[in-house]
Amino acid sequence: ETGVTQTPRHLVMGMTNKKSLKCEQHLGHNAMYWYKQSAKKPLELMFVYNFKEQTENNSVPSRFSPECPNSSHLFLHLHTLQPEDSALYLCASSQDNAVGGYTFGSGTRLTVV
Amino acid sequence: AQSVTQLGSHVSVSEGALVLLRCNYSSSVPPYLFWYVQYPNQGLQLLLKYTSAATLVKGINGFEAEFKKSETSFHLTKPSAHMSDAAEYFCAVSDLGQAGTALIFGKGTTLSVSS
Repeated sequence: ETGVTQTPRHLVMGMTNKKSLKCEQHLGHNAMYWYKQSAKKPLELMFVYNFKEQTENNSVPSRFSPECPNSSHLFLHLHTLQPEDSALYLCASSQDNAVGGYTFGSGTRLTVV
Repeated sequence: AQSVTQLGSHVSVSEGALVLLRCNYSSSVPPYLFWYVQYPNQGLQLLLKYTSAATLVKGINGFEAEFKKSETSFHLTKPSAHMSDAAEYFCAVSDLGQAGTALIFGKGTTLSVSS
């Protein structure tokens, strides 16, 4: 399988639940990213990993916890979320210098109830 | 700090008409510039990119964009709109060659195409 794959595609969770989003890429890229896309808001960069090391945390609340075990996999662990966290969460990957742009996954539509 | 401004959050055209989506950037160094398209409930797909080679860049689906340094612009055009072009379009900018460089996206422009 090629490209960037995100699972699950849809997730409904209660505010007390713990869940994880998964992102996998088979493009040989070294950098991976999490973005949040809310209705009527710009894309918000959340986290950047380059060669498995976190290089950017864009003031994201601690209820979001990223994990990057290797250059091909990226997780976003969720716990005690709020309804305003409902959004489309997009994963992307790139070569380390991003010259070619990003390749995005299809996203996980998260609804917090 | 880098930024992009997309003029017009919503553009409506008739099928067969010219499509023009505007993007202006702010960057202290020569930028890399990108246009992405997003269809409903999907991720973003790269349409085209400018990386300091030719100033007129051709992309997929008949789209092209011209880098104009004097105007700090990178507008997206298509000579003849198709119904399938209806989607949201994002302009993005990044620094040159920075490891793990994060793209900075504009707020997006929704393109509607009527028959």
